Amino acid sequence: NAGVTQTPKFQVLKTGQSMTLQCAQDMNHNSMYWYRQDPGMGLRLIYYSASEGTTDKGEVPNGYNVSRLNKREFSLRLESAAPSQTSVYFCASSEGTGGTGNTIYFGEGSWLTVV
Amino acid sequence: SQQGEEDPQALSIQEGENATMNCSYKTSINNLQWYRQNSGRGLVHLILIRSNEREKHSGRLRVTLDTSKKSSSLLITASRAADTASYFCATESPYSGYALNFGKGTSLLVTP
Repeated sequence: NAGVTQTPKFQVLKTGQSMTLQCAQDMNHNSMYWYRQDPGMGLRLIYYSASEGTTDKGEVPNGYNVSRLNKREFSLRLESAAPSQTSVYFCASSEGTGGTGNTIYFGEGSWLTVV
Repeated sequence: SQQGEEDPQALSIQEGENATMNCSYKTSINNLQWYRQNSGRGLVHLILIRSNEREKHSGRLRVTLDTSKKSSSLLITASRAADTASYFCATESPYSGYALNFGKGTSLLVTP
């Protein structure tokens, strides 16, 4: 049971380049999330998908797009990377939706550097 | 915006001692969770406490919640070197939609 799998693990981009972070979960969870983690800032929510077919903005959505491809997969796209997007990105999933005390399961992270 | 604020930012203790971390938040919540992150890894869920609970235990972990003070504490008893990690509180509230809001974390170092 792999849990939440995200790829790539490490990536270096040049400013202006685009890339997609892939995420898949095998727990049959309804909700999926993308967070970024920066030193001294904790985790901040970029986008989330409460269920297949829906996506919503989180705290820091600017510069990103997401696609909930199916129940298993939730991708994060940087259309034109900027140095401010250098960060560690975490994909996560949970069984249910807000207000029900969901445990969130995290992937191992993707380290992205934009030069 | 980030809801939880952990205190202290960093904590250094010796094996066998107890470690206490605190979390304060701003708005009313449905529940509060604590997560652990080892260096270079993803976050792992430790424990959840609901807004109508005051204390919860799980192994060497004890969590308290005081909704009147909008604060929670995580106590790790008899710490081990393997407890070295960052610890985050996360709140779920009517104001946060479907996602958890995480604090900035407490970095715990347990030395042998």
